[in-house]
Amino acid sequence: EAGVVQSPRYKIIEKKQPVAFWCNPISGHNTLYWYRQNLGQGPELLIRYENEEAVDDSQLPKDRFSAERLKGVDSTLKIQPAELGDSAVYLCASTDGGGQATDTQYFGPGTRLTVL
Amino acid sequence: AQSVTQLGSHVSVSEGALVLLRCNYSSSVPPYLFWYVQYPNQGLQLLLKYTSAATLVKGINGFEAEFKKSETSFHLTKPSAHMSDAAEYFCAGNNNNDMRFGAGTRLTVKP
Repeated sequence: EAGVVQSPRYKIIEKKQPVAFWCNPISGHNTLYWYRQNLGQGPELLIRYENEEAVDDSQLPKDRFSAERLKGVDSTLKIQPAELGDSAVYLCASTDGGGQATDTQYFGPGTRLTVL
Repeated sequence: AQSVTQLGSHVSVSEGALVLLRCNYSSSVPPYLFWYVQYPNQGLQLLLKYTSAATLVKGINGFEAEFKKSETSFHLTKPSAHMSDAAEYFCAGNNNNDMRFGAGTRLTVKP
């Protein structure tokens, strides 16, 4: 079974430029999460999807961040414009338990973003 | 809001020695608790989780953790460290779908 796929794995951009990250969850997983992991810290939730609906985007900085999961499968996270403080690893995770608190989240390898 | 604290950002043990990684949560309602491991350039992988059943939870690769409500702790242990255990370990708590991770503990295993 293929795991969570993310691309690109690495991205270097200059500040004020746009950037997008792509995630393909494990087949059949209806719940999808985007996290941001700053250096030396644990992941922090940005947004959670149940199928195509964003059910928790309270931690997403909506002035510059946006996300979509149009067909309830793969998802894209966008930053426009990027700031120096956005440098981090962006992780995608998915579960098949319907978004229960006991669910095991399966993580992709992440996209490491460097903003210069 | 709940939080998860991992005591010790770096832990170093000798091969064959006991591994103890500490995790405490702060929440009036005990959350569901998880330990994840992250190897370099890889995603987080679940080691074990506590979901209100047995307080002593056994996971993969010989790891186990015990939920102690009186101490608000969920420490991770392994009797004998192996070189392949060197990685970053994250404790996490989930209360009402509010998943919070600790800052992580980097485990180094010396030969």
